[in-house]
Amino acid sequence: SQTIHQWPATLVQPVGSPLSLECTVEGTSNPNLYWYRQAAGRGLQLLFYSVGIGQISSEVPQNLSASRPQDRQFILSSKKLLLSDSGFYLCAWRGSGEQYFGPGTRLTVT
Amino acid sequence: QQQVKQSPQSLIVQKGGISIINCAYENTAFDYFPWYQQFPGKGPALLIAIRPDVSEKKEGRFTISFNKSAKQFSLHIMDSQPGDSATYFCAASVNFNKFYFGSGTKLNVKP
Repeated sequence: SQTIHQWPATLVQPVGSPLSLECTVEGTSNPNLYWYRQAAGRGLQLLFYSVGIGQISSEVPQNLSASRPQDRQFILSSKKLLLSDSGFYLCAWRGSGEQYFGPGTRLTVT
Repeated sequence: QQQVKQSPQSLIVQKGGISIINCAYENTAFDYFPWYQQFPGKGPALLIAIRPDVSEKKEGRFTISFNKSAKQFSLHIMDSQPGDSATYFCAASVNFNKFYFGSGTKLNVKP
């Protein structure tokens, strides 16, 4: 069966520090991969999605970037975090149909 | 511009009652409409989904009603239980590519 992992589970970072969040999927190949952000009590904002290695589409211009160095690995990065980057970051994958979410990373920028 | 509009923002229902959450969309190219359930601190979990070629889909206590002409769809939770208390999101996509989510409904089922 397919499994999606995200780490770390929680992260507290100061403003201006770099960020790297990792997502990996097991049990499938060539999935579509997605990064979402969820602000407290809010909906899901699509940040990036990828249909293959090295193929990244950005939905919202901001100080975040994404990379897909391997088929089942998706990384969300920032060179300098802003206070507004705080939120719940969710990775998701889609195989032949439905989209499934990972457990999420809670990021607090102080 | 929000692609999928969801209401209400919050909902309180007594145990055993019916919870109804509504969503509306504009893009007639959407061909897949899932609902997700999210508990605090967890990622959303797929609950039930429908394609526009059917008007209703039922799985246990959960039913999606779909009105293609009105461009609306809704989630009905029958015999609501306290364990159903969570945030529910509707979504829509074209050919399973990008998914557009509603703003979420926080459901509280009182015992």
